[in-house]
This record gives sequence, structure tokens and C-alpha cells, in this order.
Amino acid sequence: KNQVEQSPQSLIILEGKNCTLQCNYTVSPFSNLRWYKQDTGRGPVSLTIMTFSENTKSNGRYTATLDADTKQSSLHITASQLSDSASYICVVSDRGSTLGRLYFGRGTQLTVWP
Amino acid sequence: EADIYQTPRYLVIGTGKKITLECSQTMGHDKMYWYQQDPGMELHLIHYSYGVNSTEKGDLSSESTVSRIRTEHFPLTLESARPSHTSQYLCASSELGGQGETTPTETQYFGPGTRLLVL
Repeated sequence: KNQVEQSPQSLIILEGKNCTLQCNYTVSPFSNLRWYKQDTGRGPVSLTIMTFSENTKSNGRYTATLDADTKQSSLHITASQLSDSASYICVVSDRGSTLGRLYFGRGTQLTVWP
Repeated sequence: EADIYQTPRYLVIGTGKKITLECSQTMGHDKMYWYQQDPGMELHLIHYSYGVNSTEKGDLSSESTVSRIRTEHFPLTLESARPSHTSQYLCASSELGGQGETTPTETQYFGPGTRLLVL
């Protein structure tokens, strides 16, 4: 069964600290993996996207890594800010269907305290 | 910021009412989607469209219906709302890949969502 599991479910950190969010998937075949940021009451916004051949991708203070062999990805946030408080969702796409189906994780709820 | 809009943002209605959730995008995207999301849970695809006059059901069974008469517009309708329909509904759009497949660089752009509460 194709699945995307994220950990931790929730995380509280102090402003200025770094953190790393994890995503494990069993989706096969694999096309790409995206990290989205979803603010409360808003729709998800794409942060990074990585294909099979990419190991790392950065977007400002956000750095995503991908190990396609172990089917693991991480999102590292550097020097966290209050505005980083949001849900971070890992989304994996397969290439087996004409839709390029997306599999969503449940997200990690990050809270940054001052 | 993506040019995709949803109205209303919040809706509280009684059981049995007919409702239509609006979604519009000004990016000219062919593919559009409706997702349902409950708190702390993953997004579930309920409907999608490849273009005008194309509508398909998603993975999650839904009593809602959709239409795609214009490229920019993808409304979702519930004929008779029930408390079990209480949820957040997210609309998204993306550019169509070469053969109708999601390409590695394709990204879905989401609207702000509609929070529906059925009493």
C-alpha cells in the first residue's frame, strides 16, 4: 500500500533554533517528492520539489533532502522565525498513472515560540 | 502568490441545504482539483478535471458533484448537506503535462480553502 508517513506529528521550538522534519514513504513507482507549507486556514504552498536524481534542494532557510534508496526525505529549517509556524506536508507523486497520483502525508505541525 | 480563489471562505448551513463552493483561477491552468481535509489529517482527492467538460472522481468517495464549463472555473456542489460533510475543502490547479501526466516540475497551486460546517 502506497503511504507517506511524517514525523514528528507536532514540534515546538524556540525562535532562532533549527529543526528537521522527517518523511518516509512507500510509494512506488516514484516520480517526485514535494514539501508544502500550510498556514492555518490557508491552502498549502510549495516549498521544494525533488526528483529521483536530486539529493538536496534549498529554498531560503528551507533545505530538503531525499534518499530515494531508503525512501526517506527530510526538511531542515534554519534559524526559525515565528512565521515558520505552520503545518509542513510531504507529498509524493508516482508515475504509474496518467494523473501522476499524489500521496499526502498528514503533516508536521510546527510551532515557533518567541 | 497563486491566483486561485475560493468562496466562501467560511460557511455554516443547516442539514439538507444545497450549497455550491466556488473556485476560480486566472493562471489558465488546464488541470484542477478538489480536496477534502479534516484537522490533522491528510488531503484526500475527491474530484479532478483535465480541462473543459472533463470531470473525474478522486480517491475519496464523495456525494458532491463538480462541473467544468470554463477553464478558469471549477465549482463543487452538494445537493443536500449533512453534518458528515463538515470539513475543509481545498481547490487546486496545475499546468497540464505533455501527455496528461504530472511532470516532475509540475506543482499544484492551492486556494485558501472553504471551511464548511453543517449543523
